[in-house]
Amino acid sequence: GNSVTQMEGPVTLSEEAFLTINCTYTATGYPSLFWYVQYPGEGLQLLLKATKADDKGSNKGFEATYRKETTSFHLEKGSVQVSDSAVYFCALSDTFSNFGNEKLTFGTGTRLTIIP
Amino acid sequence: DADVTQTPRNRITKTGKRIMLECSQTKGHDRMYWYRQDPGLGLRLIYYSFDVKDINKGEISDGYSVSRQAQAKFSLSLESAIPNQTALYFCATSGPPGGGGYNEQFFGPGTRLTVL
Repeated sequence: GNSVTQMEGPVTLSEEAFLTINCTYTATGYPSLFWYVQYPGEGLQLLLKATKADDKGSNKGFEATYRKETTSFHLEKGSVQVSDSAVYFCALSDTFSNFGNEKLTFGTGTRLTIIP
Repeated sequence: DADVTQTPRNRITKTGKRIMLECSQTKGHDRMYWYRQDPGLGLRLIYYSFDVKDINKGEISDGYSVSRQAQAKFSLSLESAIPNQTALYFCATSGPPGGGGYNEQFFGPGTRLTVL
């Protein structure tokens, strides 16, 4: 079955540091890949997505590239801010499920804390 | 105002009690979902509904039931709560698939349920 493995946290960085959160996946077919972010006390929000190999998703200074050859979708940001402190979830959509592209399989989440 | 709301936000109950979690949305979406989030396990799909007359089990539906009272309302019930149902529960919505198939899911703020 499909699965998503992401870097275990928690991750603590200083402000302006470079961020990488690793995500690898196992899937049949050609899934779409996503990063969701969960700020304290809130639900998940879509941060970025990529729907085919070599696509790069980007938003709010975050980027991730869909690497089919390494089955990876690592999240990066060049200079993190305190406001980036949150839990980050990597996810994939199952293109062969009964409801098409909308069945999401989530990773376990990585808690990121940025200190001033 | 929030587009997806959940009530209650926090609930403590006892083993064997019946409890209902409610979700309402103002996004006009047909598709609604219930997930549970457990530490170290990410989010797992409990039930989903594509319209008022369509209800489907997700990967962990045992011990839960749902009711789609209207397009905007989707309730999750625990008929006889047990301690291992202690978790954070999220409702989500999405519209019909757009170009490329996937359409973003929008999450509520979550309900933290504790079963003693």
